[in-house]
Amino acid sequence: AQTVTQSQPEMSVQEAETVTLSCTYDTSESDYYLFWYKQPPSRQMILVIRQEAYKQQNATENRFSVNFQKAAKSFSLKISDSQLGDAAMYFCAYRSDQAGTALIFGKGTTLSVSS
Amino acid sequence: DTGVSQDPRHKITKRGQNVTFRCDPISEHNRLYWYRQTLGQGPEFLTYFQNEAQLEKSRLLSDRFSAERPKGSFSTLEIQRTEQGDSAMYLCASSLGIATNEKLFFGSGTQLSVL
Repeated sequence: AQTVTQSQPEMSVQEAETVTLSCTYDTSESDYYLFWYKQPPSRQMILVIRQEAYKQQNATENRFSVNFQKAAKSFSLKISDSQLGDAAMYFCAYRSDQAGTALIFGKGTTLSVSS
Repeated sequence: DTGVSQDPRHKITKRGQNVTFRCDPISEHNRLYWYRQTLGQGPEFLTYFQNEAQLEKSRLLSDRFSAERPKGSFSTLEIQRTEQGDSAMYLCASSLGIATNEKLFFGSGTQLSVL
């Protein structure tokens, strides 16, 4: 069974600085997808960024980028120029390349941003 | 569309009572997922619908839980004879149902407290 591990329960960063959230996963599959979701206090999960395992190039979305290391089964999220609105719970998630299969989430990392 | 909506936002019930939650997905979305999230944990998959067909159920979904999606539109999740261990946030998500790497849109969840 696939597992997702986020080893940092809490992280903090100052405004305008850069922070990296870690995620490792375990799978025997070769084709899969990885995601980072953000859950603010409003509770609604929002997709931040996604990565297809077959793509070597790391995904980027504005201030958010990932470092995907397939051999090491590592998928970290880098947030550049941090903003107060980035404060939230961040979840790393894995999804098999099978239609309809569920996202498997890590336990999350709480990110606080100070001014 | 305003996104995925869930009702109620909060539910307090006594142990042994039955509760029902409703999820209204984005109108053109074929896939609908239910997740459960307990404090300090990531969401855990419960069940998934493709249109009106319930295609996958997690082992977490005991026989006290039942989910329906009549006519492939809204969905209900019922918990019978609630137990204190059922206290959690129940999240609903929907997606178009076209690709396996597609974005899931989450609702804000129903927070259940069983006294």
